[in-house]
Amino acid sequence: DAGITQSPRHKVTETGTPVTLRCHQTENHRYMYWYRQDPGHGLRLIHYSYGVKDTDKGEVSDGYSVSRSKTEDFLLTLESATSSQTSVYFCAISDRTTGATNEKLFFGSGTQLSVL
Amino acid sequence: AQKITQTQPGMFVQEKEAVTLDCTYDTSDQSYGLFWYKQPSSGEMIFLIYQGSYDEQNATEGRYSLNFQKARKSANLVISASQLGDSAMYFCAMREDSGYALNFGKGTSLLVTP
Repeated sequence: DAGITQSPRHKVTETGTPVTLRCHQTENHRYMYWYRQDPGHGLRLIHYSYGVKDTDKGEVSDGYSVSRSKTEDFLLTLESATSSQTSVYFCAISDRTTGATNEKLFFGSGTQLSVL
Repeated sequence: AQKITQTQPGMFVQEKEAVTLDCTYDTSDQSYGLFWYKQPSSGEMIFLIYQGSYDEQNATEGRYSLNFQKARKSANLVISASQLGDSAMYFCAMREDSGYALNFGKGTSLLVTP
């Protein structure tokens, strides 16, 4: 199994508070991703990173920011959490050394976030 | 526009029967990859199978096979001899050569009954 750790695993917070989710990998993979999973929507990309300090937006990036100061860590921050951000958040990694289209994503265990 | 369409929100199949989960995709890229992931009730995302757009043969991994019909832009997952442990959500995903991540469908919930 790929070494991906997400923390916390569960979090309950109040509307308007800042929240940071952490993804830590031990695989030295270049690419890291944050997805959110909601019923009826599948997994949707929030942000991704293609290297230290190199990040870009996904399809549902509004209200989220990310940072990657080290290869192994990718942080997702909700500056002011809203109830619509209640979701399961997955971190994923890939190395893209075997080619572009066959890169497989390895997923973390997910973080269940509830915003009350 | 939705790049991956899974039209079956839920499916039932009896143990030991085969089941096909549908997936259609939309892309203008010539080079792309198609993936299926399984998500059991425990929540983890498990990679099942991959098919490249230039692969001439359908991919197979044990009891899983991918029925790839390029002209129809479909990439259906076939599970043979279903087992109770196959009950899960199944997601189809695509990686385009011009893209940067996997695009996922909304998923199909499969329930295997005794």
